Amino acid sequence: AQKVTQAQTEISVVEKEDVTLDCVYETRDTTYYLFWYKQPPSGELVFLIRRNSFDEQNEISGRYSWNFQKSTSSFNFTITASQVVDSAVYFCALSETGGGNKLTFGTGTQLKVEL
Amino acid sequence: EAQVTQNPRYLITVTGKKLTVTCSQNMNHEYMSWYRQDPGLGLRQIYYSMNVEVTDKGDVPEGYKVSRKEKRNFPLILESPSPNQTSLYFCASSYRGARNEQFFGPGTRLTVL
Repeated sequence: AQKVTQAQTEISVVEKEDVTLDCVYETRDTTYYLFWYKQPPSGELVFLIRRNSFDEQNEISGRYSWNFQKSTSSFNFTITASQVVDSAVYFCALSETGGGNKLTFGTGTQLKVEL
Repeated sequence: EAQVTQNPRYLITVTGKKLTVTCSQNMNHEYMSWYRQDPGLGLRQIYYSMNVEVTDKGDVPEGYKVSRKEKRNFPLILESPSPNQTSLYFCASSYRGARNEQFFGPGTRLTVL
C-alpha cells in the first residue's frame, strides 16, 4: 500500500533562512508520481511540482528546489531565503500508476516564517 | 477561467439533517474526487469518479454518498451528518492518469453540531 510520511509537523524559521521540508514515501509500483502542494492561510491547495519515478534530476524554480532520491524514497523540498509569504502548510503526495488517479497525502508540514 | 467550484464554502448544520455539497469543474476532466482534511491526518480520499456514472469508494467513505450524472458535476451527499463529519472538504478534478495534476476547489468548511 502507498504511504507518505512528513515527519515534521511544524517548522519555524526567521526570514531569509533556508528551510527543507522532508517527505518519505512507500510504494510497490515501479512507476509513480510525487507531488508537492502548498496550502496558504487562505485555505486553497496550490500545486507546486510533479516528479515521475524515472526522473531523479533535481529541480529548481526560483527560491524553490526539490531533491528526489529513489534510493532513500525521499522527495524533499527546500526553500532558499524564506519569506513571510512562504508561511503555509505544505503537503507531499504520491500517486501510483496502478492506483488510478488516487493521491495519497502526507500529514503536512506547517511552515512559519517570521520577521 | 479554468476552475473547480464548491458550494457552500461554509456550512453549520445539526446532526441528522441531510445536506449536499456541490462541486463543478469546467475543464472537461474525466476524474473527480472528494477529500476531507483533518488536523494531523492530512487529506484523505472519500469517493472518486473516473467518468460519468462510474464512482468508487476511497479510504473513508462511511457516511457519504456521491453521484456523477454529468461530467462536470460531482456532488457529495451526507444523508445523516454526524459530528465526526465536521471537517474541511475539498473537491478535485483532473484528466485520467496518475501523472496528472489534480485541481482543487476552494474547500467547504462543514460543522455538524
